[in-house]
Amino acid sequence: AQKITQTQPGMFVQEKEAVTLDCTYDTSDQSYGLFWYKQPSSGEMIFLIYQGSYDEQNATEGRYSLNFQKARKSANLVISASQLGDSAMYFCAMRAFGNEKLTFGTGTRLTIIP
Amino acid sequence: DSGVTQTPKHLITATGQRVTLRCSPRSGDLSVYWYQQSLDQGLQFLIQYYNGEERAKGNILERFSAQQFPDLHSELNLSSLELGDSALYFCASSVAWGSGEYEQYFGPGTRLTVT
Repeated sequence: AQKITQTQPGMFVQEKEAVTLDCTYDTSDQSYGLFWYKQPSSGEMIFLIYQGSYDEQNATEGRYSLNFQKARKSANLVISASQLGDSAMYFCAMRAFGNEKLTFGTGTRLTIIP
Repeated sequence: DSGVTQTPKHLITATGQRVTLRCSPRSGDLSVYWYQQSLDQGLQFLIQYYNGEERAKGNILERFSAQQFPDLHSELNLSSLELGDSALYFCASSVAWGSGEYEQYFGPGTRLTVT
């Protein structure tokens, strides 16, 4: 079984600052993928970034980067130079290769303060 | 815009009724997934289809069923609705299934309210 833990229910960050959203996971699978999704107040789920368990380098996508520490089973999302439009719920998720379902954490509500 | 479309956007119905939610995957995607997001259960995987065949099942109630049609669109049928079925229902699609690295792209969701 897989489990995702997001320990920060809410965060407030000043605009233009960097923010790190925490995610730890638990799995006995050797091959898996880690994902971050953003859910604005409008409700849609927006894919942000992906990290494979065998990737040696941390994934980056624009202002998003994933701080992957496999031994610690953590996959933190870093958002650089935060913007007002970054205010949303952020979900960490994982999928074991060969398993179809995404397992989601409970999410972190990020609020960017002007 | 993820390219995944879902209709309707909102649905309000009464307990005991039956509804059908519709999803069209991104062009070229063969896999369709259904998820339920509720306040008490969070985001939960319901079921997955690949090219018309059921491939994986999650926490889907017996009152719920789904299918994927030859044109790859999918429908989620919810029957004998209860108040607790009120939730945001997402459809997601991906190009593949099984081992390998691929993302699931989510549609905008259908918000179901059971009164």
